[in-house]
Amino acid sequence: GAVVSQHPSRVICKSGTSVKIECRSLDFQATTMFWYRQFPKQSLMLMATSNEGSKATYEQGVEKDKFLINHASLTLSTLTVTSAHPEDSSFYICSAPGRGGEKLFFGSGTQLSVL
Amino acid sequence: KQEVTQIPAALSVPEGENLVLNCSFTDSAIYNLQWFRQDPGKGLTSLLLIQSSQREQTSGRLNASLDKSSGRSTLYIAASQPGDSATYLCAVPYAGGTSYGKLTFGQGTILTVHP
Repeated sequence: GAVVSQHPSRVICKSGTSVKIECRSLDFQATTMFWYRQFPKQSLMLMATSNEGSKATYEQGVEKDKFLINHASLTLSTLTVTSAHPEDSSFYICSAPGRGGEKLFFGSGTQLSVL
Repeated sequence: KQEVTQIPAALSVPEGENLVLNCSFTDSAIYNLQWFRQDPGKGLTSLLLIQSSQREQTSGRLNASLDKSSGRSTLYIAASQPGDSATYLCAVPYAGGTSYGKLTFGQGTILTVHP
């Protein structure tokens, strides 16, 4: 099956710093990738759709200036959490549709802890 | 707005038992339904995808059924093993949507299979 690689797996940072998370499709091209986050004991929630070569589209309530998404190539999307605060502490996970676009393949996720 | 609910929230069973996980959704106009497995620190793995026109899908010891009219899906796991221990999530595309990537997830069922 398709493989999506996500790095880093865990980040601990001080409040006010920016954190970049990378998501790569290893053996297939992904013109679209999806970023989700999951707060403790809650469901995965879609944050934004990353589109190669164009602007990302954000879900209602997600600040685009805080969560910067760049999809510079057909295999790489990055999510940058700018000026992170403790309330941004969450599990962030990316996904990409495989060939045929049906099944979603997920990265291993990034646990962000902001002190 | 689509809402997805999973019951039970947690389940602990001895090895070898057959078990059923339940998923319900409020908007029956879904395009498909997916079941995922989430392992700590390892992201999500797609287990089964059922198209709206299908009633069930099988993969090994897993069988998923779909009843669109009643807004329900079940995941049946036969002869459970300790390696099945994980969180199981069901997800459907956003209400009225066909995009396979924009999903609404349930909160999951935490399954523990003890030897």
